[in-house]
Amino acid sequence: GIQVEQSPPDLILQEGANSTLRCNFSDSVNNLQWFHQNPWGQLINLFYIPSGTKQNGRLSATTVATERYSLLYISSSQTTDSGVYFCAVEGYSGAGSYQLTFGKGTKLSVIP
Amino acid sequence: NAGVTQTPKFQVLKTGQSMTLQCAQDMNHNSMYWYRQDPGMGLRLIYYSASEGTTDKGEVPNGYNVSRLNKREFSLRLESAAPSQTSVYFCASSHTQLNTEAFFGQGTRLTVV
Repeated sequence: GIQVEQSPPDLILQEGANSTLRCNFSDSVNNLQWFHQNPWGQLINLFYIPSGTKQNGRLSATTVATERYSLLYISSSQTTDSGVYFCAVEGYSGAGSYQLTFGKGTKLSVIP
Repeated sequence: NAGVTQTPKFQVLKTGQSMTLQCAQDMNHNSMYWYRQDPGMGLRLIYYSASEGTTDKGEVPNGYNVSRLNKREFSLRLESAAPSQTSVYFCASSHTQLNTEAFFGQGTRLTVV
């Protein structure tokens, strides 16, 4: 199946700093999503981004499908950005089915 | 609009007990999924239902069964719980299995002692 690698695994930022999270995947994918898991465990949709660039406030994402990676940019980080960021890709898993495969996540801690 | 709703939020079971996790979505989605999340492992697919009336195994199906009760509801059953099934379980749904955005419930934290 598809392998999804996220980096870095852990990241500590001072409030106000910028950061880039990376997601590499091993094969062609049909779509890619970024999620934020907040400290209460809730998974929040950030971006549905199979290709191209999208922006939502202080967050933006870019997927270069031909080179098999996606980047999540967080600007002017706030303590509420803390949590785990997951990349998930949809690819063919055999027998006519497709599955969403998650990376292991990047744990972000934003300190005041 | 509630999205994806899971019950219960928390559950403690003794080894060998059975239970069913319930999931319902109100977005008229065709596809539904059950994942488990373990520390350091990300989320792994247990079972999915591409459309009403169909179910298929995911990456880690052993010890689980599912039922797609209707278009809205997809339940996950543990027939004989084991400590290795201690995890956080997430239900998700998407319009179709392919090329559409998935939305997740709030999770069920299950502990098997």
